[in-house]
Amino acid sequence: GAGVSQSPRYKVAKRGQDVALRCDPISGHVSLFWYQQALGQGPEFLTYFQNEAQLDKSGLPSDRFFAERPEGSVSTLKIQRTQKEDSAVYLCATSTRGNSPLHFGNGTRLTVT
Amino acid sequence: DQQVKQNSPSLSVQEGRISILNCDYTNSMFDYFLWYKKYPAEGPTFLISISSIKDKNEDGRFTVFLNKSAKHLSLHIVPSQPGDSAVYFCAASDYGGSQGNLIFGKGTKLSVKP
Repeated sequence: GAGVSQSPRYKVAKRGQDVALRCDPISGHVSLFWYQQALGQGPEFLTYFQNEAQLDKSGLPSDRFFAERPEGSVSTLKIQRTQKEDSAVYLCATSTRGNSPLHFGNGTRLTVT
Repeated sequence: DQQVKQNSPSLSVQEGRISILNCDYTNSMFDYFLWYKKYPAEGPTFLISISSIKDKNEDGRFTVFLNKSAKHLSLHIVPSQPGDSAVYFCAASDYGGSQGNLIFGKGTKLSVKP
């Protein structure tokens, strides 16, 4: 497809389980961002890749959160030992280099029970 | 402390009238501002942006105004249409327009009544 694709769309996890969220970027987009959006809030920055290099991970809330983009295309956000406060929509966004808008995927809604 | 604030959680406007959505920011280092529109169960979609070297940017029915001294920006939609009903997020960056780490407000839900 032409847009940013995220899977799964919905994920329910029991507290303590590990989850992996996938992002397929728009072809040719070198910049990739992960954001977390809690209910009633705006998206909050988690981490940023340029190609395969993770240039900024200052927004990751704890060491349970890990992101990778090994070949500079598909990215995976992994959350270990999920907690209830991890429940949110996780948004992936990509862009070409420089001054261009972010293109967001439709997100993965994670619910931790 | 929130760096980007959208103090109105919701706004209701009649079709054909003007919608004005407001946004305030606290960080004087921000130099690039954007508005995103979000429908339910979809990701945000870029609407319009403005660099801090300008005070106005227009794109069709959408105009963004920037008042740097007041650290305030607004999005005007004229005329408003029912399809404009969505949540609007204001976002800011201090990366000189290269996007980078965007700081988002909490959003304003706009309802345009036919």
